[in-house]
Amino acid sequence: QVQLQESGPGLVKPSQTLSLTCTVSGVSISSGTYYWSWLRQPAGKGLEWIGRMYPSGTTRSNPSLQSRVTISVDMSKNQFTMSLTSVTAADTAVYYCARERGAFDPWGQGTLVTVSS
Amino acid sequence: DIQMTQSPSSLSASVGDRVTISCRASQDISNSLAWYQEKPGQAPKLLLYAASRLESGVPFRFSGAGSGTAYTLTISSLQPEDFATYHCQQYYGTPTFGHGTKVEI
Repeated sequence: QVQLQESGPGLVKPSQTLSLTCTVSGVSISSGTYYWSWLRQPAGKGLEWIGRMYPSGTTRSNPSLQSRVTISVDMSKNQFTMSLTSVTAADTAVYYCARERGAFDPWGQGTLVTVSS
Repeated sequence: DIQMTQSPSSLSASVGDRVTISCRASQDISNSLAWYQEKPGQAPKLLLYAASRLESGVPFRFSGAGSGTAYTLTISSLQPEDFATYHCQQYYGTPTFGHGTKVEI
């Protein structure tokens, strides 16, 4: 079955760049009609969609984060990566990757990223 | 962005109760709505999509209804494993989520 796994540092300093990678197994991210997305959830707050990668490799980001977000892909490794620049404490959250077909399913287990000096 | 307003933010219920959670969109989302269940330390789990379509493997006690801007998630007979937080999400535009409803004893 399709599985996703996030990886990356759990602690990032303010003003630095947060980079996370999602490794997908069970399906090629370059095939099919699904998108591949990043989402996050700060503690005690709602879920926020960050951006997505299309099977073609093109990307789209949430307008609220667009100036700081880059999503890239490594088709050979079946991975896609999210980078968020100039982070602040407000970017502390659990970050998820997920397959998107309108709804999101499945999700990775999530990874907590804390922004602190 | 389309704003999603969920209510209530939390509710207390007992095993066997019928529970209904509401989600209202700031504009017509044409049934482009999903519901998720989230438990502590776990990723959200998709329950329903297209407002009323049950995801494979999800128990039939979960159902969804609504149209236009107003949608509901109903659990017909609450089970111990259903105590969790529920989120709605629209995918008519840029995806946005409600703030969640915590179902507790």
